[in-house]
Amino acid sequence: GENVEQHPSTLSVQEGDSAVIKCTYSDSASNYFPWYKQELGKRPQLIIDIRSNVGEKKDQRIAVTLNKTAKHFSLHITETQPEDSAVYFCAASDSWGKLQFGAGTQVVVTP
Amino acid sequence: KAGVTQTPRYLIKTRGQQVTLSCSPISGHRSVSWYQQTPGQGLQFLFEYFSETQRNKGNFPGRFSGRQFSNSRSEMNVSTLELGDSALYLCASSLGVATNEKLFFGSGTQLSVL
Repeated sequence: GENVEQHPSTLSVQEGDSAVIKCTYSDSASNYFPWYKQELGKRPQLIIDIRSNVGEKKDQRIAVTLNKTAKHFSLHITETQPEDSAVYFCAASDSWGKLQFGAGTQVVVTP
Repeated sequence: KAGVTQTPRYLIKTRGQQVTLSCSPISGHRSVSWYQQTPGQGLQFLFEYFSETQRNKGNFPGRFSGRQFSNSRSEMNVSTLELGDSALYLCASSLGVATNEKLFFGSGTQLSVL
C-alpha cells in the first residue's frame, strides 16, 4: 500500500519568513495530493490540493509543487504569520483510492 | 449548512468493553471516512463508506467495524477495547464522487481506555 513520509516533524520560523514542508510517497499510481491544516484543539481542514496532472498550484500565500518522477510534493507558505502556526498533514491517494496521511509537521511561527 | 457532527465528544471506557461512535455528515455528502489520530502517528485510515457500502478499508484488526445508514449517517464500533485504542477518532464526509477528495472533518470523539 501507499507510504507517505513527511519532513520535518517540527518547523520553527520567524514571522514573515517562508516555510517549506516536504513529503514523499511510494505508490507511483497515486494521483491526488491534499494538504490539511490542524490548529490546536481543532479539526483538520483542507487548505490546498493538487492532482498528478498538475505540477504546481498556488492559493494566495500557499503553494504546492509536485514532482511525479521523484514521487515527492511540497507545501510552501510565504510571508508566514502567527495564525499559520498549526500542524500540517500531507496525504496521497493510493491506487485503491485510499488516502494515506503523513505523520504531520508542527509549524511554529514566532513574532 | 451544518458541519460534520460527531457524538459523543468524550468517552471513557475500560479494557474489554465495546464502544460505538456516531457521525452525521454534511447534508448531501454520501461518503463517510473514519480516521484514528494519535500523537506522533498522524491520521490512520480506518474505513470509508459510500451509499451504505464499505468502499475502502485500512489495516486495523476486525475489532474495528463500521456501518452507514440510508441517511448517510455512520457509526463505528470497537469491540474488546485495548489500552492502545485510546485516541481521537475523526470522521470526515465528502460528496463521494471520488473516494477521498475534499474531506470535511468532524471535531472527533476522544476515547480513553483505562
